[in-house]
Amino acid sequence: KAGVTQTPRYLIKTRGQQVTLSCSPISGHRSVSWYQQTPGQGLQFLFEYFSETQRNKGNFPGRFSGRQFSNSRSEMNVSTLELGDSALYLCASRPSSREGYYEQYFGPGTRLTVT
Amino acid sequence: SQQGEEDPQALSIQEGENATMNCSYKTSINNLQWYRQNSGRGLVHLILIRSNEREKHSGRLRVTLDTSKKSSSLLITASRAADTASYFCATVLSGSARQLTFGSGTQLTVLP
Repeated sequence: KAGVTQTPRYLIKTRGQQVTLSCSPISGHRSVSWYQQTPGQGLQFLFEYFSETQRNKGNFPGRFSGRQFSNSRSEMNVSTLELGDSALYLCASRPSSREGYYEQYFGPGTRLTVT
Repeated sequence: SQQGEEDPQALSIQEGENATMNCSYKTSINNLQWYRQNSGRGLVHLILIRSNEREKHSGRLRVTLDTSKKSSSLLITASRAADTASYFCATVLSGSARQLTFGSGTQLTVLP
């Protein structure tokens, strides 16, 4: 099976702009989670989607949003970019968000730089 | 915020030696997982240990869990240069929606 894919891999944006990142999970996986990784804060959970519904959300401002499509592909959007949003954004998938499905499969990430 | 801390933050050893990394966490967990990340890339799942387990093995990896001390350790035996990476523990909290809460990570360098 193909792994989790993320596009684009690298992105440079200017403060105030918005950005959309895309994630395609492993075929058959219906749960998609997003994480932000920065040197200062480490790996932090953004949100999880399952069957097109947001199931859980981390402690991030409303500028961070996401959605999931019927084919399980997911996008996350960050509006009004700030310098502090520069990070590696990681997407992870698993077959289900239900009990027992704990192992997550990560994509290579999208490196976002805000200037 | 992160669930806990990892110790040491950085570890440098010679090929063939064993590497031990420790992870502490703060609240009750359902399970604890270890992931590896090669420089700036995605994470790879290594091993999962449930809260009712004390030790688990997978190839050259050995994980222990002490829920009374809220700590775990990852032992990599007979390390190789290819083991050079960052290692993160991640917990799934009891009663949570099963998101991962990561530790701060240990950067392991294995010198040839």
